[in-house]
Amino acid sequence: DTGVSQDPRHKITKRGQNVTFRCDPISEHNRLYWYRQTLGQGPEFLTYFQNEAQLEKSRLLSDRFSAERPKGSFSTLEIQRTEQGDSAMYLCASSLILTGGLNTEAFFGQGTRLTVV
Amino acid sequence: QKEVEQNSGPLSVPEGAIASLNCTYSDRGSQSFFWYRQYSGKSPELIMSIYSNGDKEDGRFTAQLNKASQYVSLLIRDSQPSDSATYLCAVTFYNQGGKLIFGQGTELSVKP
Repeated sequence: DTGVSQDPRHKITKRGQNVTFRCDPISEHNRLYWYRQTLGQGPEFLTYFQNEAQLEKSRLLSDRFSAERPKGSFSTLEIQRTEQGDSAMYLCASSLILTGGLNTEAFFGQGTRLTVV
Repeated sequence: QKEVEQNSGPLSVPEGAIASLNCTYSDRGSQSFFWYRQYSGKSPELIMSIYSNGDKEDGRFTAQLNKASQYVSLLIRDSQPSDSATYLCAVTFYNQGGKLIFGQGTELSVKP
């Protein structure tokens, strides 16, 4: 399977605990995005990487959230001291940025559904 | 004002009819346009991409882009109950690093 892969698919955690999610993008893609989606809403942008560089972080991304893409391949998203409001689907997507800045189609992984109790 | 807007629906059409889904966006250097389908509890699945004005057809799906009027639409011909899902419009803007900005999605229900 050469699509975007996310792990785990589901995570239930107690408030105050730390959680980490992993995303493996399509291998030839140089862009990797993290989004969060709650019921009835479209995906909200959190952050994105081009290769290993984190180029932008949303204001939604509090200091409890950190993301890395250490070697320009897989990425991790960590949430520290989870709160009930963090409960959502966390989506990862990847795409290819061509010379000239044109963004090709982005493909999503299966998502990680986080429930904070 | 939101950058990408869609009617949340639900939009209900009978089986075999044409479903028309609309999306408007703020024109701040709009670049690329995408339609995703999302079934309940699943992740978004890419249906169509369109980069220039006009129509683009792929099977039962047609995407229409009108940059002057700042809208992009998706037509689904011969709608099937399996098309029942939420359809998400996404736009990239030159001055926003090419990241996808999503609308809230339109729920489509196709009745047998």
